[in-house]
Amino acid sequence: DGGITQSPKYLFRKEGQNVTLSCEQNLNHDAMYWYRQDPGQGLRLIYYSQIVNDFQKGDIAEGYSVSREKKESFPLTVTSAQKNPTAFYLCASSTPTGGTGELFFGEGSRLTVL
Amino acid sequence: AQSVTQPDIHITVSEGASLELRCNYSYGATPYLFWYVQSPGQGLQLLLKYFSGDTLVQGIKGFEAEFKRSQSSFNLRKPSVHWSDAAEYFCAVGALSGGYQKVTFGIGTKLQVIP
Repeated sequence: DGGITQSPKYLFRKEGQNVTLSCEQNLNHDAMYWYRQDPGQGLRLIYYSQIVNDFQKGDIAEGYSVSREKKESFPLTVTSAQKNPTAFYLCASSTPTGGTGELFFGEGSRLTVL
Repeated sequence: AQSVTQPDIHITVSEGASLELRCNYSYGATPYLFWYVQSPGQGLQLLLKYFSGDTLVQGIKGFEAEFKRSQSSFNLRKPSVHWSDAAEYFCAVGALSGGYQKVTFGIGTKLQVIP
C-alpha cells in the first residue's frame, strides 16, 4: 500500500544534541512537508519542498534543517538551536503544484528533550 | 494571509446525538477547504474537501460539511455520532501562493463521545 512512513515513532534527546527524523513516501508525490504540532496550537509548517533539491522555509523554520536528495525522502533535523523542540512532528506529501492540495500524513514522530 | 478559526476547543456529545463542529476562515478569494481527523498519537486523515461546485460536501465516515461564503464558514456535521468518532478534528484552508499550495490549520476541536 502507498503511504508515508515516519521513523522513529518516539525519540528522546538530551539538550544540545541534533536529531534527525525520517520521512519516506511511496505515493510518487512531488511535494513534501514537515509540520510541528503542539497542544492547543494546531499544526505549524516548518519546511516544505516542491521538487528534489529544492526546499523552502515555512512559518517556524528556525532551529530546523531539511534535505531533499530523493523524491521519496524528506528528512528533518532538529538542531540544538531549536529552543523548545519537544513536540509531535508530522510529515506530509501532496500531489503536484496546481493539484487539489490534499495532504497525506505519516503517523508522526514524538520528540522529547530530556 | 489566510487564517482559520475553530471556536470550540472541546465538545462533548452523547452517542447517537447529532454533531456540528464550527469553522470560520479568512481568505480573499474562494479557498480550498478541508476537514481532517486525528486519533491520539496518529497522523491526520482527510474527511472531506471543498474546491468548487456544490456547497454541501459529503465525506467519509458519514460526515458532511457545508460551505457558506456569506458567513465564511465550513462547518462539519454528522447526524448520529458513534463512539469511534472521538478524536480531534482540524479545519484547514488552502490557497495557491507562488505556485505552492499553502495550507493553514485551525487549532483543532477535540470531540468526546459519552455513552
